[in-house]
Amino acid sequence: QVQLVQSGAAVKKPGSSVKVSCKASGDTFSSYAFNWVRQAPGQGLEWMGGIIPFFGIPNYAQQFQGRVTITRDESTSTAYMELSSLTSEDTAMYYCARAGQMPISWFDYWGQGTLVTVSS
Amino acid sequence: SSVLTQPPSVSVAPGQTATITCERYNIGSRSVHWYQQKPGQAPVLVVYADSDRPSGIPERFSGSNSANTATLTISRVEVGDEADYYCQVWDNDSVSYVFGTGTKVTVL
Repeated sequence: QVQLVQSGAAVKKPGSSVKVSCKASGDTFSSYAFNWVRQAPGQGLEWMGGIIPFFGIPNYAQQFQGRVTITRDESTSTAYMELSSLTSEDTAMYYCARAGQMPISWFDYWGQGTLVTVSS
Repeated sequence: SSVLTQPPSVSVAPGQTATITCERYNIGSRSVHWYQQKPGQAPVLVVYADSDRPSGIPERFSGSNSANTATLTISRVEVGDEADYYCQVWDNDSVSYVFGTGTKVTVL
């Protein structure tokens, strides 16, 4: 069965960066898009970006442009999300989510989430 | 506007029907997906492409989409359906996914 396993919780200082990993198993990694979604405490879901095979390059939400980098390693079936210039407002649960190759596709599998806490 | 507007909360008695709306101009022209999120858990896909259900999702969950409103309907509501629900679309204008504002379903 498909599983997305994310890296563990992280505590970061303001101004630093965090890199979260998402290792996929149970299906052909290269056939799917991997997206990143975050959820601040008590708030809704917010798409950050993803690598959608249809486009071939990463797509980022406008509010994260310049601060987020999403990559994937086909050899280890792992997707990564790095967020820089952290502030307390970046304290949130970060999820990876798998989707089909086309942008209209849905997120059929999700990782367990990685809690990132930004605190001095 | 790329905002998907949902009612903040819906309350329903067990066995009754819960209706959750997702509003945006001309949303009927887009493919809408719905997710259920229980406290402390990752979201789970419950309806995709307006009205299809993933394997393992009960038939009690159904979806529709027309004009300016997409709807998730939960029939014969159970206590276990209590959760937050989010709609989602792909927005060609912003080249991004957009989530709805979320609806908390409370089973009385």
